[in-house]
Amino acid sequence: RKEVEQDPGPFNVPEGATVAFNCTYSNSASQSFFWYRQDCRKEPKLLMSVYSSGNEDGRFTAQLNRASQYISLLIRDSKLSDSATYLCVVGGFGNEKLTFGTGTRLTIIP
Amino acid sequence: SQTIHQWPATLVQPVGSPLSLECTVEGTSNPNLYWYRQAAGRGLQLLFYSVGIGQISSEVPQNLSASRPQDRQFILSSKKLLLSDSGFYLCAWSVRRDTGELFFGEGSRLTVL
Repeated sequence: RKEVEQDPGPFNVPEGATVAFNCTYSNSASQSFFWYRQDCRKEPKLLMSVYSSGNEDGRFTAQLNRASQYISLLIRDSKLSDSATYLCVVGGFGNEKLTFGTGTRLTIIP
Repeated sequence: SQTIHQWPATLVQPVGSPLSLECTVEGTSNPNLYWYRQAAGRGLQLLFYSVGIGQISSEVPQNLSASRPQDRQFILSSKKLLLSDSGFYLCAWSVRRDTGELFFGEGSRLTVL
């Protein structure tokens, strides 16, 4: 089983729609969780951290379910500029080694 | 502010040739440094990480090596490239024991022919 698993997509979603991604992780001792965004042929950049209580940043909401070992990302009112690959990232204590999922590709359609 | 520079951006190398990718970070001290590789259709694979000068941890046994000759310099090398070494190589840094956010360089796209 992969350490971090994501549905690779692609997700083709009309502009203005709501889209949700899930990600599962295998190591129950994982301590930190993130969503990164990667544009085509570019470097990944942090989108948001994921906290146990869930957190929201504008149109983006992240949730963590430790019991089921998954995290989710919800994007509301999607924009064309949201088109990218979204990477689920999980870390252990100290965050020295982060494990990246293979990413979920999202395309927003006008 | 902190910046990370990585070079070269693109290179095409023949099988069996050597490789050297360089990465430097500015505006911070004692960063954690990382080399990742992203092959086509695959996730980021951690190759090496370093928590200090001369301290290198290898995650994947292969024909690549890394060195950290200075606090903010990280070098990825190979004596003889394989076809399977093709990919997008990313250098990254993070603040130790902090939020865990990684800051990536712009990447080096390597094609081995």
